[in-house]
Amino acid sequence: LAKTTQPISMDSYEGQEVNITCSHNNIATNDYITWYQQFPSQGPRFIIQGYKTKVTNEVASLFIPADRKSSTLSLPRVSLSDTAVYYCLVGDRSSGSARQLTFGSGTQLTVLP
Amino acid sequence: DAGITQSPRHKVTETGTPVTLRCHQTENHRYMYWYRQDPGHGLRLIHYSYGVKDTDKGEVSDGYSVSRSKTEDFLLTLESATSSQTSVYFCAISEQSSGRAGELFFGEGSRLTVL
Repeated sequence: LAKTTQPISMDSYEGQEVNITCSHNNIATNDYITWYQQFPSQGPRFIIQGYKTKVTNEVASLFIPADRKSSTLSLPRVSLSDTAVYYCLVGDRSSGSARQLTFGSGTQLTVLP
Repeated sequence: DAGITQSPRHKVTETGTPVTLRCHQTENHRYMYWYRQDPGHGLRLIHYSYGVKDTDKGEVSDGYSVSRSKTEDFLLTLESATSSQTSVYFCAISEQSSGRAGELFFGEGSRLTVL
């Protein structure tokens, strides 16, 4: 199972763009990269998933370089409500099961006024 | 939001007593999971199910058992609760046929305190 490494915490100010980078040096050919967001007292919530290059949705962008050994979650113009823990996960989704996805300790993002 | 209900949401019990947590889904998803979350450990997989009566162990399965007699229900049982099992337990579901295969949908969590 691919192991991920991400910063323990980050601070930002409202209106700024935030980039959280995750390292996954031993990512396998069939592995996808998935990011989740978790607010206090709630379960994690899917943000974005990608395999290579760039993926964008209404919430965030995910940048994946050609070697796929890292990925960067980009949150545009953060607000106080984006304060949460962000998890980077790597795993093979071909079976449909998420059994192989391993949650690390995540990155605590704190957005300051 | 995915239809996932966990019960009870909060429970306090004593060491040595049995505890059962229930996860109920209305999405007809194939896969169901139980995680525990503790400070400094993120979420760790306890058990998961890939169909009715089909279950398998996760990374922290010791002291826990599960059952899935119906597609919509996944039960987590602590046969004899210990203080080390004090935690927040999350149920999750996923479905291969979704547009984002492997995407997990989580319940609101069950906070268990073992005294």
